[in-house]
Amino acid sequence: EVQLVESGGGLVQPGGSLRLSCAASGFTFSSYWMHWVRQAPGKGLVWVSRINSDGSSTSYADSVKGRFTISRDNAKNTLYLQMNSLRAEDTAVYYCARSNSHAADYWGQGTLVTVSS
Amino acid sequence: QTVVTQEPSFSVSPGGTVTLTCGLSSGSVSTSYYPSWYQQTPGQAPRTLIYSTNTRSSGVPDRFSGSILGNKAALTITGAQADDESDYYCVLYMGSGNWVFGGGTKLTVL
Repeated sequence: EVQLVESGGGLVQPGGSLRLSCAASGFTFSSYWMHWVRQAPGKGLVWVSRINSDGSSTSYADSVKGRFTISRDNAKNTLYLQMNSLRAEDTAVYYCARSNSHAADYWGQGTLVTVSS
Repeated sequence: QTVVTQEPSFSVSPGGTVTLTCGLSSGSVSTSYYPSWYQQTPGQAPRTLIYSTNTRSSGVPDRFSGSILGNKAALTITGAQADDESDYYCVLYMGSGNWVFGGGTKLTVL
């Protein structure tokens, strides 16, 4: 059974940092591109970032470029999102998703990040 | 900047048929954008319904179907049920592995 489990969310002050993790199981993690998607309270889903299967290529939404870094450890079957210089507008539930046929086929349950003083 | 457009809200009667659409602020949606559709109820993670325009994800009932209608991608729900009341999001693939989400459609079944 494919499972994606996010962790690492919490309360952080503006300007602070946080690292999210997404532990994958039930499939060959190293064969799939992975994405982060976020959802601010009461708002819609927004794509954040993606990484290719071996970690050699990454891409980011303009809103997080230069502040967030996506990475992966295929030996640990884990996806990461390092978030620096956090702002109030980064407050959201962050989902990891597996990519297949240019779409998400499996999603994690999400982890809440709250940026507030 | 690419903007993906969806109806903010829609309503359908139980047993009825509804078509939600997904367009581009400029240009037409084609199969080359590999449109996909997701269902989300409050407090839950999204659920994948349709990918690559019209392929149903595993376990999705055949009352959900995807297509291209004119210059937009479309999600059609036939025989709407009460538990279809959800938010529906489309995603367009923009190349290089990047996605853009539409703003979502809140579907009411009443």
